[in-house]
Amino acid sequence: EDKVVQSPLSLVVHEGDTVTLNCSYEVTNFRSLLWYKQEKKAPTFLFMLTSSGIEKKSGRLSSILDKKELFSILNITATQTGDSAVYLCAVYPHNNNDMRFGAGTRLTVKP
Amino acid sequence: DVKVTQSSRYLVKRTGEKVFLECVQDMDHENMFWYRQDPGLGLRLIYFSYDVKMKEKGDIPEGYSVSREKKERFSLILESASTNQTSMYLCASSFAGREQFFGPGTRLTVL
Repeated sequence: EDKVVQSPLSLVVHEGDTVTLNCSYEVTNFRSLLWYKQEKKAPTFLFMLTSSGIEKKSGRLSSILDKKELFSILNITATQTGDSAVYLCAVYPHNNNDMRFGAGTRLTVKP
Repeated sequence: DVKVTQSSRYLVKRTGEKVFLECVQDMDHENMFWYRQDPGLGLRLIYFSYDVKMKEKGDIPEGYSVSREKKERFSLILESASTNQTSMYLCASSFAGREQFFGPGTRLTVL
């Protein structure tokens, strides 16, 4: 059965800290891995990763995929209170139109 | 900008009522999805559709049905609502294999 596991489930840090969120997966015929940020409402797209070892970066956020070890990390540097959210990891298998989501990591950044 | 809209933000229904949740997207996406989101369980796929009049069951289709008569519109139907269907319902759309764009969600309470 396809599985996406995120860790930790929740995390509390202070502004300025750097955090690393983890996502491991077991998916038949992996195609791509996606990261989303969910604040109070709908998840918003952050990154899509398809190749191992290539870092994707957007401001203070970056992410990388390891297809050999079947995981991805999402890094946030110099965290701000606005980074407080649930971060969701999802995986697309080949030949499927549906994504499989992890349970999410709830990040709280305190001032 | 992609826009995915959902018919209601909050909905309160009684056990046994028939419930319609509607989702509309404006980006000509082939794929549309219905998820429910519950604390600690992440997003679970109920149904998805990859074309007009086509539908596929997701992980938890029991108690739900869907309708896609037009490309831009995907409806989720609870034939006879039950209290265990109290949840946040999220609609999403995408091109095949690409990131999904989510609507704002409908928080459904079944009394």
